[in-house]
Parts: sequence; C-alpha cells; structure tokens
Amino acid sequence: AQKVTQAQTEISVVEKEDVTLDCVYETRDTTYYLFWYKQPPSGELVFLIRRNSFDEQNEISGRYSWNFQKSTSSFNFTITASQVVDSAVYFCALSEAYNQGGKLIFGQGTELPVKP
Amino acid sequence: SAVISQKPSRDICQRGTSLTIQCQVDSQVTMMFWYRQQPGQSLTLIATANQGSEATYESGFVIDKFPISRPNLTFSTLTVSNMSPEDSSIYLCSVGDRSYNEQFFGPGTRLTVL
Repeated sequence: AQKVTQAQTEISVVEKEDVTLDCVYETRDTTYYLFWYKQPPSGELVFLIRRNSFDEQNEISGRYSWNFQKSTSSFNFTITASQVVDSAVYFCALSEAYNQGGKLIFGQGTELPVKP
Repeated sequence: SAVISQKPSRDICQRGTSLTIQCQVDSQVTMMFWYRQQPGQSLTLIATANQGSEATYESGFVIDKFPISRPNLTFSTLTVSNMSPEDSSIYLCSVGDRSYNEQFFGPGTRLTVL
C-alpha cells in the first residue's frame, strides 16, 4: 500500500532559524515520484519540487534543500534562515507514476508558522 | 507549467442544493484530477477526469454524489450534489503530464454548506 507520513503536525520557528520537515513514504513500486508542495494561508497549492526514485542526489534551491534517502524511505525538506513568508502548510506527496495515472497521495501536512 | 483557473473561487450554499465547479486549463493536458481538502486536513483524491468517458472514482467517492464531466482536453467540471455541511471543503482541480509526472493545481474553490 502507498502511504506518506509527515509526523510533525506543526513546527514553530523564529525567523532566521533553520527547520527540517520530515517525510517518510511507503510504496512497493520501484518507479515513483516524490513531491513537496507549499500551501500558504491564501490556500493555493504551490509546487516546490519533484524527485524520481532513481535520482538520489540532494537538491538545493536558494534557501530550500531536499534530502532523498531511499534506504530510509525519506524525503526531507530543509529551509535555511527561515522567513515570515515561509509561513505555510507544507505537504509531501507520492505518485506511483504510470500505473496509477500520476495521481498523488498526500501526507497530512506540516504547519510552519514563522515568527518574526 | 499550465495555468489553471477555477470557478467559482468560493461559494456559500444551502443544504440539499448542488454546485458545479469549473476547471479550465490554458493548454491541452493528459490528466485532470479533482481533490478535496476538508478543513484542517490533507488533500484526498476524489476522481480522475477522463476525456470522453466516465471518470474514475476513488474509494469512498461515488458518481451520484460527485458527477464529473470532461468534454475536452482543457476543461472539466465537478458537481457536488445534495450538499450537506460535511461537504464544506476546498475543492481543487489539478492537471498532470504522464510523461513528466508533474502536477499543478488550480487555486481551489472554497465551499461552505449551511
């Protein structure tokens, strides 16, 4: 069965602190995709990153970085020097690609209020 | 990335009525999906909207309650039928490309049922 677990319901940080959001997934497929989305208070879902199961290289984009480890089935997301604009709910998601038509299975989300 | 619009952006409806939500994409897309996000919850897939055929529903969702149409590769509608307060949610349309497995979401429709 496919499953995505975000154990941290809420993490509170103060501006300029670093924060890591955890994501653990379960799948029987060897080909799959992992995603992170940001949902600010306005409600829209903003795509942040997609990673396929064959690419374990870590990725950095500005203050954002992602650590994909197949050995532990984890795809963690780190924000460096957090800012108030980072305040949002962050969702990790899994897609088993072609067999499932690309539909996404979401974790429960981690709420991240960044205090000034 | 595709530009996705949804109408209405929000609505307040009475119990027992129905609401049809529209999703328009600025380019032809292979896959279109409808998700529901109940208050304070994560997103759950309702169905995959198939062009020219019946939608494929996930467990717990049925066509009588959530009829879906997809007449072409750029447009889909979701109807929430015989609404109850439990249907109060954000309904999101998303589009995907099977080749690249990317998915982008529309701005959502915030529905409140009184």
